[in-house]
Amino acid sequence: NAGVTQTPKFRILKIGQSMTLQCTQDMNHNYMYWYRQDPGMGLKLIYYSVGAGITDKGEVPNGYNVSRSTTEDFPLRLELAAPSQTSVYFCASSYDYGMRETQYFGPGTRLLVL
Amino acid sequence: RKEVEQDPGPFNVPEGATVAFNCTYSNSASQSFFWYRQDCRKEPKLLMSVYSSGNEDGRFTAQLNRASQYISLLIRDSKLSDSATYLCVVNNVGTYKYIFGTGTRLKVLA
Repeated sequence: NAGVTQTPKFRILKIGQSMTLQCTQDMNHNYMYWYRQDPGMGLKLIYYSVGAGITDKGEVPNGYNVSRSTTEDFPLRLELAAPSQTSVYFCASSYDYGMRETQYFGPGTRLLVL
Repeated sequence: RKEVEQDPGPFNVPEGATVAFNCTYSNSASQSFFWYRQDCRKEPKLLMSVYSSGNEDGRFTAQLNRASQYISLLIRDSKLSDSATYLCVVNNVGTYKYIFGTGTRLKVLA
């Protein structure tokens, strides 16, 4: 198992550009999450999905969109990039949620918006 | 008030020392608790879940105090490889969301 994979590892965007951050998991997990982590801060939830075709907003969804057409893939779309979106983005997945459920994280995508 | 709060540290301790971190949470509906470890520029990884009765995994002990709404992590016989940021995570009843603290940084010194 590759676990959770993310591409690209690093990207520089100009203000106003758009891009898609890719996330794929091969563990047949139902739940998938997108977080952003700013320096010295905790992870903030952007969007999450409880299964194919079902997504919902997290704490900081503005400026982002997601889709979940398959169990494996959960891409995050940035429209009109802004400097405030400079961050490290982590995708995570879990089979279920709660006490005994581990969230598995991808290696992250570092995004710089100039 | 933040939903999950941690002392950011850093905690600088010598090898072999015992160190403890606390994490407070504000929502009494929180039902699941975890400690994650994050190395510099890496993704978080689960260290251990925290059970109501407390639990131990080798040198690591986690405790939950529901009355005072905090969880703790105790590391005994610290190793250089324990140097990392430790994230406190809670999950509330009826939600799929996990709330992360900002982390406590530990540096174990030779």
